[in-house]
Amino acid sequence: ETGVTQSPTHLIKTRGQQVTLRCSSQSGHNTVSWYQQALGQGPQFIFQYYREEENGRGNFPPRFSGLQFPNYSSELNVNALELDDSALYLCASSLARASGTETQYFGPGTRLLVL
Amino acid sequence: SQQGEEDPQALSIQEGENATMNCSYKTSINNLQWYRQNSGRGLVHLILIRSNEREKHSGRLRVTLDTSKKSSSLLITASRAADTASYFCATESGGSNYKLTFGKGTLLTVNP
Repeated sequence: ETGVTQSPTHLIKTRGQQVTLRCSSQSGHNTVSWYQQALGQGPQFIFQYYREEENGRGNFPPRFSGLQFPNYSSELNVNALELDDSALYLCASSLARASGTETQYFGPGTRLLVL
Repeated sequence: SQQGEEDPQALSIQEGENATMNCSYKTSINNLQWYRQNSGRGLVHLILIRSNEREKHSGRLRVTLDTSKKSSSLLITASRAADTASYFCATESGGSNYKLTFGKGTLLTVNP
């Protein structure tokens, strides 16, 4: 158990719809990162939030957006869903220090299916 | 894009044998981490090795890092059926954020 929780666990949407995924980070952590994992692939970095500000973004279009709240929990929003957005979405929390980050602890993921 | 590339893509062994997985990467790194994933579920952190370290142990796990060759290996000794999972290496390359760049993983099957 990492202490990182995600909701929902599974979700089915249709093309064009919008989805919001949620993540509660581990106590004491100030950084949340989101990853997309397609079937048979490794996770791909979407973006990261540090103290409520976006702190880096991967190669994902603007319809992928996020938020981090004062309690360091986070949301991932995806607009105008496409079939290729079907994947496992993972969030990871960590404690970032001036010397670099420590281990990132992952939640169980949300499996999104877009029909 | 994928930074790390694991080798082999799949590995099948008998219980009690050792399993070795390799990872190569392309750019300089701050640290390299190994994760385990069971059946498409969340990732479990196994071990982190920093760029100034060469070897690290944790229980039945041994990780080596060769920054000159940009490669790492994960050795699982005395494997168990419960070790069956996908194993990923992930690199953190520093900069202004702390993103992890993952390879495609090695699927390890340990047969009882």
